[in-house]
Amino acid sequence: NAGVTQTPKFQVLKTGQSMTLQCAQDMNHEYMSWYRQDPGMGLRLIHYSVGAGITDQGEVPNGYNVSRSTTEDFPLRLLSAAPSQTSVYFCASSYGTPRTGELFFGEGSRLTVL
Amino acid sequence: AQTVTQSQPEMSVQEAETVTLSCTYDTSESDYYLFWYKQPPSRQMILVIRQEAYKQQNATENRFSVNFQKAAKSFSLKISDSQLGDAAMYFCAYLVDDKIIFGKGTRLHILP
Repeated sequence: NAGVTQTPKFQVLKTGQSMTLQCAQDMNHEYMSWYRQDPGMGLRLIHYSVGAGITDQGEVPNGYNVSRSTTEDFPLRLLSAAPSQTSVYFCASSYGTPRTGELFFGEGSRLTVL
Repeated sequence: AQTVTQSQPEMSVQEAETVTLSCTYDTSESDYYLFWYKQPPSRQMILVIRQEAYKQQNATENRFSVNFQKAAKSFSLKISDSQLGDAAMYFCAYLVDDKIIFGKGTRLHILP
């Protein structure tokens, strides 16, 4: 039972570097999303996707790109990392639209930008 | 802007007692869903309870229940018979237009 798998779990970047956080799910979920969690800020939605080929912006999309070429994968790209992007990132998925609230979360990826 | 406000950053409750966590939200939509999530130290997010806005009856799940006041846009969580395992961050969230928006969370401490 892999569920939602995020890689890497930890990453340190220098300002200006680029990287991709990977998210994969094996539950055939149509809905996938990315959140960032910062102390005192809760979880903030970055981008989400309701199906392959469809993506949309969340609350804090600036500085991040996503794509959804397959149902299974939803990578999050940082094109030019900034210290303000230091955070814990969570990928979450659900079957269909998340009306049940049953989001399946990955274990999180801790990113530090120096 | 759609917002979710949790006014209590931290709360403490004695084991076996009852505690209520507050949440208010702002939306112009009439059809939406509300949730409470629990995040223990493991960081795993766990759905505690959900409420559909068109249902007037308050949702309950064992020791967890909500007080949903649609007109006041209030959605509080009551935990009865608090247990040590209830210690966690609790997030109020709501779904509208395929987006689940979270509040900033309330850290709940259980005192033995």
